[in-house]
Amino acid sequence: AQSVSQHNHHVILSEAASLELGCNYSYGGTVNLFWYVQYPGQHLQLLLKYFSGDPLVKGIKGFEAEFIKSKFSFNLRKPSVQWSDTAEYFCAVKGYSTLTFGKGTMLLVSP
Amino acid sequence: EAGVAQSPRYKIIEKRQSVAFWCNPISGHATLYWYQQILGQGPKLLIQFQNNGVVDDSQLPKDRFSAERLKGVDSTLKIQPAKLEDSAVYLCASSLDSSGEETQYFGPGTRLLVL
Repeated sequence: AQSVSQHNHHVILSEAASLELGCNYSYGGTVNLFWYVQYPGQHLQLLLKYFSGDPLVKGIKGFEAEFIKSKFSFNLRKPSVQWSDTAEYFCAVKGYSTLTFGKGTMLLVSP
Repeated sequence: EAGVAQSPRYKIIEKRQSVAFWCNPISGHATLYWYQQILGQGPKLLIQFQNNGVVDDSQLPKDRFSAERLKGVDSTLKIQPAKLEDSAVYLCASSLDSSGEETQYFGPGTRLLVL
């Protein structure tokens, strides 16, 4: 069975600070990895995804994530956060069958 | 392009009552998913349809939950009878197909409160 662990449940940052959200998964085979974001009052939307190739994946709004196979990790990064990045972030993994989500990390960016 | 539509957006019922949720996926998307998201947790897959056939319902509590997608387009999810622990957001998502590389697009969800 596959599972996803997100390191922090809540993160508070000031604008312009750098962001790194941790995500580790457990699955023995080939995986597809995703980060989804849910802004306040909006539905879940895809931030970025990794299927194969370059392990450094760039997504929307300046976000990027790096797949490190040896560490079973897919951490999300952004060099300088903005107030508008306040949202809940979900890491997800798809192995053989279904998409499995982590519990989410709530990011609050103070202006 | 229209997104995934869901209704109602909110529902409050008493335990032991029944409730139904409706989902209309993005046009042309063959795969439809229902997720349950309990407060403080990530979405958990309840059932996955490929056209009008069930692909995975291993996490659906079949004694009280049922879902159908009769014509391979829109879908309904029913709970009968509801329990307090069913209070959650029910999310519908769709994708072009069920391959690993297909992105799932989510609807706004239906927030259910069982009293």
